[in-house]
Amino acid sequence: DGGITQSPKYLFRKEGQNVTLSCEQNLNHDAMYWYRQDPGQGLRLIYYSQIVNDFQKGDIAEGYSVSREKKESFPLTVTSAQKNPTAFYLCATGRGENTEAFFGQGTRLTVV
Amino acid sequence: AQSVTQPDIHITVSEGASLELRCNYSYGATPYLFWYVQSPGQGLQLLLKYFSGDTLVQGIKGFEAEFKRSQSSFNLRKPSVHWSDAAEYFCAVDPGGGNKLTFGTGTQLKVEL
Repeated sequence: DGGITQSPKYLFRKEGQNVTLSCEQNLNHDAMYWYRQDPGQGLRLIYYSQIVNDFQKGDIAEGYSVSREKKESFPLTVTSAQKNPTAFYLCATGRGENTEAFFGQGTRLTVV
Repeated sequence: AQSVTQPDIHITVSEGASLELRCNYSYGATPYLFWYVQSPGQGLQLLLKYFSGDTLVQGIKGFEAEFKRSQSSFNLRKPSVHWSDAAEYFCAVDPGGGNKLTFGTGTQLKVEL
């Protein structure tokens, strides 16, 4: 199946712990993105990568880190520095300029 | 600052009625424009997109949207709503064409049977 796989679907962590969210794609898209979704706020861009071994901060990168060692994978680490990590996280991919973004099914992170 | 406004947080319509969801954007030039739909706990599905050309765009599931440059708007419409259309709808813009989307805050659609 072609697509974007985010795992796990639900994730629970204790406050102060780092946690890594997985995003894998087999669409052969160059670009990958991480968005955070909170109720009533739409989606906000955390990090993006347009090519392997390169990534840029989005609008709300503080408290997050990413890596892009393979074209297929773009994991997101939510660090203990993120003040309010509980949210729904969406990974997306894109084929490049003048095209739309494709979204995974999301990971709901709850920090207690 | 660049922004996308969806003024209606919640909308309720009866099944079979027409629907219009509003979207306004604030950018210096015409960005790429999108409408996505999200069912609870799911990812986003693209309904339609506007890059250039004909300002009336047809999408999936019977949806259409009209780009109006003079009003900086990209409103989503459907002539007859089905109960399965109940979901949250997001308008998004891409000012640079590189998939870095700015989203509106979404409109929650409820359909009454």
